Amino acid sequence: EAQVTQNPRYLITVTGKKLTVTCSQNMNHEYMSWYRQDPGLGLRQIYYSMNVEVTDKGDVPEGYKVSRKEKRNFPLILESPSPNQTSLYFCASSLWSGENIQYFGAGTRLSVL
Amino acid sequence: KQEVTQIPAALSVPEGENLVLNCSFTDSAIYNLQWFRQDPGKGLTSLLLIQSSQREQTSGRLNASLDKSSGRSTLYIAASQPGDSATYLCAVEGGGSARQLTFGSGTQLTVLP
Repeated sequence: EAQVTQNPRYLITVTGKKLTVTCSQNMNHEYMSWYRQDPGLGLRQIYYSMNVEVTDKGDVPEGYKVSRKEKRNFPLILESPSPNQTSLYFCASSLWSGENIQYFGAGTRLSVL
Repeated sequence: KQEVTQIPAALSVPEGENLVLNCSFTDSAIYNLQWFRQDPGKGLTSLLLIQSSQREQTSGRLNASLDKSSGRSTLYIAASQPGDSATYLCAVEGGGSARQLTFGSGTQLTVLP
């Protein structure tokens, strides 16, 4: 079954404690990205990756890091989380060429206290 | 910078009604427009994708139209059912090379039995 898997689904942490949200896809997609969703603001792109070892900033990259060492994995790293990073996070993937139908993970709800 | 607006923010209709959701965007230089469905606790599911050269796409009871010159799209749902209750998001893919999607804030639809 084609899927994008995020872990964990729910996470509560404290300010400054480093965390990683993992994302894995089994569709051999080149393109992967991270979004955050906040009430009234819609989904905003944090970072994206066009292929292995190729990453770039989206609209709201501050406070986040990513890496793409393997095609299937695209972890999101918060080195020093702050309360304004409390949000619902989604990972997505798609083929780079052709129709850009993006497949989304189920989301990670993060609370930073 | 592309901005996507969805009106209304919420809509409640009785079962069986036909309904229209609206989406507008400010920059007509797009590759495509997509409509997604988001269920609580789950990720986004792509419903329809309209390429910039197309005027509409249909899938079952769903019909999406695109008027690129006026920056508008509509999602028509025929004979609505309680199972259609969800948040519907539209997103446009911009004319740059990043394949970035810009999302609207969504319309929360409730279909009453």
